[in-house]
Amino acid sequence: AQSVAQPEDQVNVAEGNPLTVKCTYSVSGNPYLFWYVQYPNRGLQFLLKYITGDNLVKGSYGFEAEFNKSQTSFHLKKPSALVSDSALYFCAVRDEGSARQLTFGSGTQLTVLP
Amino acid sequence: EPEVTQTPSHQVTQMGQEVILRCVPISNHLYFYWYRQILGQKVEFLVSFYNNEISEKSEIFDDQFSVERPDGSNFTLKIRSTKLEDSAMYFCATREAASSYEQYFGPGTRLTVT
Repeated sequence: AQSVAQPEDQVNVAEGNPLTVKCTYSVSGNPYLFWYVQYPNRGLQFLLKYITGDNLVKGSYGFEAEFNKSQTSFHLKKPSALVSDSALYFCAVRDEGSARQLTFGSGTQLTVLP
Repeated sequence: EPEVTQTPSHQVTQMGQEVILRCVPISNHLYFYWYRQILGQKVEFLVSFYNNEISEKSEIFDDQFSVERPDGSNFTLKIRSTKLEDSAMYFCATREAASSYEQYFGPGTRLTVT
């Protein structure tokens, strides 16, 4: 079975500071990892993915994420946060070998303070 | 940029009634999914659909649920006899091809069962 943990329900950061939203995963095979963002009253918007290759992947709006196989983590990062980054962030995983559906974490509410 | 659309945005229904939620996928996408998110909880997979048949379904997707693509464009989720616990946000998602990985989500339909 595949699972995702987002240990922080809420992350607050000051505008201009770097931000990190944490995610750890569990799969039986190789992981496909994703980050999605949800703004109020909107659907889930795809940010970035890791499938294979370079452990540091870059995505939309200046976000990046680092895949760490030994720590089974896929933390989302951004060097300089914007107030407009405030939203709900979801990490998701798919097991390469089995299930095609995504399994989501519980979400982390990011608030960037001006 | 092409988007997944869903109708209605909000549906209120009485317990025991049938509801149909509609999704218009991105036009060249071949894989379709339904997920749901009960308020304050994780996004959960319901069902995946490819080549006019169900590929996978979760334990949530019992006999009360069905999906179809009646006219080659709309992708629908039907709940035959709604229960209070069916109240949730329902998201449609689509994926382009077997070689693509990310799923694109619609804005969701908020279903309220009274």
